[in-house]
Amino acid sequence: DIQMTQSPSSLSASVGDRVTITCRASQDISNFLAWFQQKPGKAPKSLIYAASSLQSGVPSRFSGSGSGTDFTLTVNSLQPEDFATYYCQQYNSYPWTFGQGTKVEI
Amino acid sequence: EVQVLESGGGLVQPGGSLRLSCAASGFTFSSYAMIWVRQAPGKGLEWVSTISGSGSTTFYADSVKGRFTISRDNSRNTLFLQMNSLRVEDTAIYYCAKTHPRSSSVFDYWGQGTLVTVSS
Repeated sequence: DIQMTQSPSSLSASVGDRVTITCRASQDISNFLAWFQQKPGKAPKSLIYAASSLQSGVPSRFSGSGSGTDFTLTVNSLQPEDFATYYCQQYNSYPWTFGQGTKVEI
Repeated sequence: EVQVLESGGGLVQPGGSLRLSCAASGFTFSSYAMIWVRQAPGKGLEWVSTISGSGSTTFYADSVKGRFTISRDNSRNTLFLQMNSLRVEDTAIYYCAKTHPRSSSVFDYWGQGTLVTVSS
């Protein structure tokens, strides 16, 4: 199975900050990488697919990059509604696997 | 408006069975692969199973293979997850998700989830 490792596990930030989360795959997954946002008590929300393509309706302050084994999610000018847990996920091969999550706190 | 709504969760004893449903609306259900994902209390996300639009192809996580069966009724726009031989470690919120128009492997819309508790 492909292991997905996110860093950091948590971070503290302020409104207006630029935040970067890293996701590393245990083997080459090309660009078959997605990012999700989850707020407490809510379902996950799809943010990015194919490493850098924004899902419909997702604000442009969110961006993704990377290919192969190393990926990043960047949030420019963090907004109050962006405080949440973020997960990466590979869909290069079954079983699909998620990172352990990164909690973005105030 | 695209909607997916899970139901069927509840409390079940270890070794018992439960069938989850996911009612879909707002899109041509049979054209999209569908996915089940679960989240144990306080834990991260775990992919469970995927089924193709026709229902002819299915994939399972090793942790549920042989115990869970994914299926769909395209005439009723409904996705199912039959869960047998349930274990305490199957306790989780179960989410269904629709796949993206551009790829049958990309998550699109998620439901709100249904809680399954396996306990004696």
